[in-house]
Amino acid sequence: SAVISQKPSRDICQRGTSLTIQCQVDSQVTMMFWYRQQPGQSLTLIATANQGSEATYESGFVIDKFPISRPNLTFSTLTVSNMSPEDSSIYLCSVEDLRTRDPQETQYFGPGTRLLVL
Amino acid sequence: AQKVTQAQTEISVVEKEDVTLDCVYETRDTTYYLFWYKQPPSGELVFLIRRNSFDEQNEISGRYSWNFQKSTSSFNFTITASQVVDSAVYFCALSEEFSGGYNKLIFGAGTRLAVHP
Repeated sequence: SAVISQKPSRDICQRGTSLTIQCQVDSQVTMMFWYRQQPGQSLTLIATANQGSEATYESGFVIDKFPISRPNLTFSTLTVSNMSPEDSSIYLCSVEDLRTRDPQETQYFGPGTRLLVL
Repeated sequence: AQKVTQAQTEISVVEKEDVTLDCVYETRDTTYYLFWYKQPPSGELVFLIRRNSFDEQNEISGRYSWNFQKSTSSFNFTITASQVVDSAVYFCALSEEFSGGYNKLIFGAGTRLAVHP
């Protein structure tokens, strides 16, 4: 399976500021996903990022708040903009490699970024 | 709509006890995949198993075993002889295929397992 790293691993930010989270994969992958996990909650998909096209956002998430970049097949960033305490969560990226031609390929997750907004 | 229910919010056991984590799902798809992930206190999500809807064979991997029953829409996870290192939150998930050919994971609420010495 792919090895996934995220930066930063954790951060404490002031409200009104923005934070960009990086996700790096050690192999080329087609699809990358960004999830949010609020304290004590399950995972919720924010958006799906396919290289070369705009990200697809889930209901309740908008590009102005969570802009995503996918410049190549091994890297993606998620920005949390104009943060408020409600944005305090773990943000996780995951990958799925469609090149195996198995559309139900397993998603593997990065270690997550713990964000606290004061 | 697709849905995953993990009715057990928290389970507490003593080391060496067996413990079963329940997962019930809803889907109208005939082809789907079910997953279990482990999230230890460090926060990363660790993949444990994937099962497709056509394969109802139970699976065993060391102290872990999974029981998939389509008739009851359940995919339960049993840890035999639990250990303190098994303490984590366990998530059951169901895949939903999008037209783009990739799968979206629908997660259950998770079950927090605490194994005490």
